[in-house]
Amino acid sequence: GNSVTQMEGPVTLSEEAFLTINCTYTATGYPSLFWYVQYPGEGLQLLLKATKADDKGSNKGFEATYRKETTSFHLEKGSVQVSDSAVYFCALSLTGANSKLTFGKGITLSVRP
Amino acid sequence: GAGVSQTPSNKVTEKGKYVELRCDPISGHTALYWYRQSLGQGPEFLIYFQGTGAADDSGLPNDRFFAVRPEGSVSTLKIQRTERGDSAVYLCASSLTTDYNEQFFGPGTRLTVL
Repeated sequence: GNSVTQMEGPVTLSEEAFLTINCTYTATGYPSLFWYVQYPGEGLQLLLKATKADDKGSNKGFEATYRKETTSFHLEKGSVQVSDSAVYFCALSLTGANSKLTFGKGITLSVRP
Repeated sequence: GAGVSQTPSNKVTEKGKYVELRCDPISGHTALYWYRQSLGQGPEFLIYFQGTGAADDSGLPNDRFFAVRPEGSVSTLKIQRTERGDSAVYLCASSLTTDYNEQFFGPGTRLTVL
């Protein structure tokens, strides 16, 4: 089956620290990969995506590269801000499978001033 | 413009009762999805509509769960004979089409079964 595995959390960082959140996947087909973010009190929103191997998705200073050889899609940011505090979900969807999303468990990021 | 809305935002019910959860998608979005998010977990797919028809209901946990979208817009998720294990946040999402279009999520309905 299809699954997404995220590193265990929570993660607490100081402002301006470097962030890496690991995500690996298992898929029966050729997936598209996503990072969704949920800010406190808000709904899930798409942060970035990549639809084919070696693609890099980027948004708001965050980046993730689709690595087919390691089945990974790690999220990185060079300098986090307090406003990045949120829950981050890695997800996949398969071609021709109505684009339903399979999510990881999510990880809570807290950034201290 | 308006995003996806869900009502109610919170629902508390007793074991064995029937509940309905409503989703208003973004106008013009043909695809609509329901997910369920239990505490500490990521959302899990329940059912997907393309237009009025349920194109994939493989995620519904059992026959107590049912969803409709009679006019291809608003959708209602119906849960019969609720159980404590049904307690979760129920999320609705819509997208313009299903071809890698971004899914826009609503704020969710938090269901608590006592």
